[in-house]
Amino acid sequence: SYVVTQPPSVSVAPGWTATFTCGGDNIGTKRVNWYQQRPGQAPLLVIYYDSDRPSGIPERFSGSNSGNTATLTISRVETGDEADYYCQVWDSSSDHPVFGGGTKLTVL
Amino acid sequence: QVQLQQSGPGLVEPSETLSLTCTVSGMSVSSGDYAWTWIRQPPGKGLEWLGHVHYTGNTNYNPSFKNRVTISIDTSKKYFSLKVNSVTAADTAFYYCARGLGGSDVYWFDPWGQGTQVTV
Repeated sequence: SYVVTQPPSVSVAPGWTATFTCGGDNIGTKRVNWYQQRPGQAPLLVIYYDSDRPSGIPERFSGSNSGNTATLTISRVETGDEADYYCQVWDSSSDHPVFGGGTKLTVL
Repeated sequence: QVQLQQSGPGLVEPSETLSLTCTVSGMSVSSGDYAWTWIRQPPGKGLEWLGHVHYTGNTNYNPSFKNRVTISIDTSKKYFSLKVNSVTAADTAFYYCARGLGGSDVYWFDPWGQGTQVTV
């Protein structure tokens, strides 16, 4: 089945930009969704369909997808952004969703 | 505003059946082509899709669970349910329900239930 790969951790200082990658074979042909999971909380959708933001998600969150890598970018990072971030795609060959292993964001 | 509220026991004996319910408010589970979904997260690990059910009763399961998982829907009572039989310690996890949106080949999950910590 389809596999998506995320780096385990990202660190950034407040006010700077955090970049999360999600790698997969020709992932640019799929639609990628991103979730934020703060400690002790349920996941929250922050980007869907590669780059769309749900209502209530700040404009600081943006997404892109091309080739073999999808990217979630958080601009002007705040301490409240500290969380795990998961990417997700739909694997049409197996007809079920696939999640990446998640990337932990540490705000220095 | 759509909300999902989970209920069910947090402790299950080995070999028994885990049963959880997700009650939907703010919309009808019969409206639209949504995938009413269960996802779990073992301690310290990532997210694992268990399966989903449509309002028609059609289901789709993760084959990794080898027929141990059953997801059903009660459209009149506005909830959907998860059963995992023959549980072992490996089934200890946070269990989440979620609404799947999108369509063919493009599903995302929003909103999510609050999660239930289940210990076997």
